Amino acid sequence: SQTIHQWPATLVQPVGSPLSLECTVEGTSNPNLYWYRQAAGRGLQLLFYSVGIGQISSEVPQNLSASRPQDRQFILSSKKLLLSDSGFYLCASRVNTEAFFGQGTRLTVV
Amino acid sequence: AQRVTQPEKLLSVFKGAPVELKCNYSYSGSPELFWYVQYSRQRLQLLLRHISRESIKGFTADLNKGETSFHLKKPFAQEEDSAMYYCALSGLSNTGKLIFGQGTTLQVKP
Repeated sequence: SQTIHQWPATLVQPVGSPLSLECTVEGTSNPNLYWYRQAAGRGLQLLFYSVGIGQISSEVPQNLSASRPQDRQFILSSKKLLLSDSGFYLCASRVNTEAFFGQGTRLTVV
Repeated sequence: AQRVTQPEKLLSVFKGAPVELKCNYSYSGSPELFWYVQYSRQRLQLLLRHISRESIKGFTADLNKGETSFHLKKPFAQEEDSAMYYCALSGLSNTGKLIFGQGTTLQVKP
């Protein structure tokens, strides 16, 4: 099965600072990759997905961006963080039916 | 529009009682439906999918296309079932996007 590595586990960043969250996948090739944000009372919101290297689709307008420089690497970024970017971010990979998730990153913007 | 609704944020039952976690969906077509579970301090993981028509850990879920529902059921709850449960929908496109509901916390009391 697949293993999703996601880091860091927790992050506290000041408003206006940049962000880079990294996700790598083991145990598969050519996966579909996803970034979700988990907010209290709102469930899991899909932010970005990618079906291949360099291919990024955004689901919601926001202050964040994503990139996929390698087949099994997915990066979530921001040039200037906002307070509203605080949340729990999950990376996921899917090949065939089942999706696998990382441990998540708790981001607090202060 | 694709949407998954889980009306209950919290469901609290006693050990041995029946459990039903509700899930309704909106999708123009024939979606795949899933239940994902997140136990305390563990990753989000697949519990079951409608196409398998299987029982996992005593849980079952039947897709009712007429009512657009995919409720999760277990006849006798166990304390180890306490977790966050997410219902999810996936369309037939190659993106494999999973659309999640808001999640229901199941609390099984001794």
